[in-house]
Amino acid sequence: EAGVAQSPRYKIIEKRQSVAFWCNPISGHATLYWYQQILGQGPKLLIQFQNNGVVDDSQLPKDRFSAERLKGVDSTLKIQPAKLEDSAVYLCASSLDPREGYNEQFFGPGTRLTVL
Amino acid sequence: KNQVEQSPQSLIILEGKNCTLQCNYTVSPFSNLRWYKQDTGRGPVSLTIMTFSENTKSNGRYTATLDADTKQSSLHITASQLSDSASYICVVSAYSGKSTFGDGTTLTVKP
Repeated sequence: EAGVAQSPRYKIIEKRQSVAFWCNPISGHATLYWYQQILGQGPKLLIQFQNNGVVDDSQLPKDRFSAERLKGVDSTLKIQPAKLEDSAVYLCASSLDPREGYNEQFFGPGTRLTVL
Repeated sequence: KNQVEQSPQSLIILEGKNCTLQCNYTVSPFSNLRWYKQDTGRGPVSLTIMTFSENTKSNGRYTATLDADTKQSSLHITASQLSDSASYICVVSAYSGKSTFGDGTTLTVKP
């Protein structure tokens, strides 16, 4: 079974530039998550989708971050404009419906973003 | 506010030795607790899951325990190997499906 795919794996940009990350979840997984992981910390949830609807985006900095999941499959996360403090690893994960107890999240390899 | 605290923040042990990592939580209402292993440059991978009624779960050399009364969990690693060097993250989920992540313990196993 194919895992969660993410691209790119690494990205270096200058502050005030924009960047986009792509995620393809495991087939059949209705729930998709985007996390920000700063070095030495645990993943912090940015946004959670159930199919193509947003379940939780309470910690998403909406003035600069946006995410979409068209057709309930692939997802993109965008940052515009980027700030130095956005340097982190951005993890995508997917799972079956956590409301039914299926909350094992399967993570992609992440995208390491460096903002200069 | 739901919180998960892990200790120690980092740990260095010699190959072949045992170690125990701790996780304290205040997530309510509690549904389950998972331990994830995150290798450098990779995404986390689930090691064990425990529900309210389970107080121990093993996965090879990894044994997790749960005390739901004191809201504490531990992950014990037996006969450590170099490949155990990683970050170990405790994740506690509520019945709503919302999960709270700890900041992890970074384990380094030296030869």
